[in-house]
Amino acid sequence: SQQGEEDPQALSIQEGENATMNCSYKTSINNLQWYRQNSGRGLVHLILIRSNEREKHSGRLRVTLDTSKKSSSLLITASRAADTASYFCATDMEYGNKLVFGAGTILRVKS
Amino acid sequence: DAGVIQSPRHEVTEMGQEVTLRCKPISGHNSLFWYRQTMMRGLELLIYFNNNVPIDDSGMPEDRFSAKMPNASFSTLKIQPSEPRDSAVYFCASSLVWTDDNQPQHFGDGTRLSIL
Repeated sequence: SQQGEEDPQALSIQEGENATMNCSYKTSINNLQWYRQNSGRGLVHLILIRSNEREKHSGRLRVTLDTSKKSSSLLITASRAADTASYFCATDMEYGNKLVFGAGTILRVKS
Repeated sequence: DAGVIQSPRHEVTEMGQEVTLRCKPISGHNSLFWYRQTMMRGLELLIYFNNNVPIDDSGMPEDRFSAKMPNASFSTLKIQPSEPRDSAVYFCASSLVWTDDNQPQHFGDGTRLSIL
């Protein structure tokens, strides 16, 4: 069963615009991770945020985590056509190193 | 550095045949994961190993599925006999884990399996 659920399922924006994707989860976590998957490829890790962190930045990526609401958001600023991909959040169980992935958000950036 | 290497990239076979998928994790990583991805069910964890030992195989759908990790640099996922509903993309991932803290997983590019 899926722990994380992304919203929206699909997003289409123009190049240069910002893209925001949300993830909700159900149980307590150690950390939450975001991954990108290009068509026909494996998932690529983008960013990890720990349960005691509220915000994290990496280049054009900004991730927030609200453990009281059990939700996270991924913001991609100044999007590029190359950002076109599926984006997944993944949560771990409180103990152990098993990740549970959400259904993903399909992002299309039009040039 | 070489990433996670999976073979074959594509496999087409008839139902009832045995299928073996292979994975070489990143050198030095001590955890290995097998996932299955379909449109209907998304990305599902099938089994994972720590230090070559299977830790959790609760995601393995049936006894027809088996996985082994004979050493730190090689793992196989076998389906015998295969069925059309096994058609999916199978991913292998590896990570370096210490204590109970999750670390990023590195994925291979997957094996696209079609069972006719």
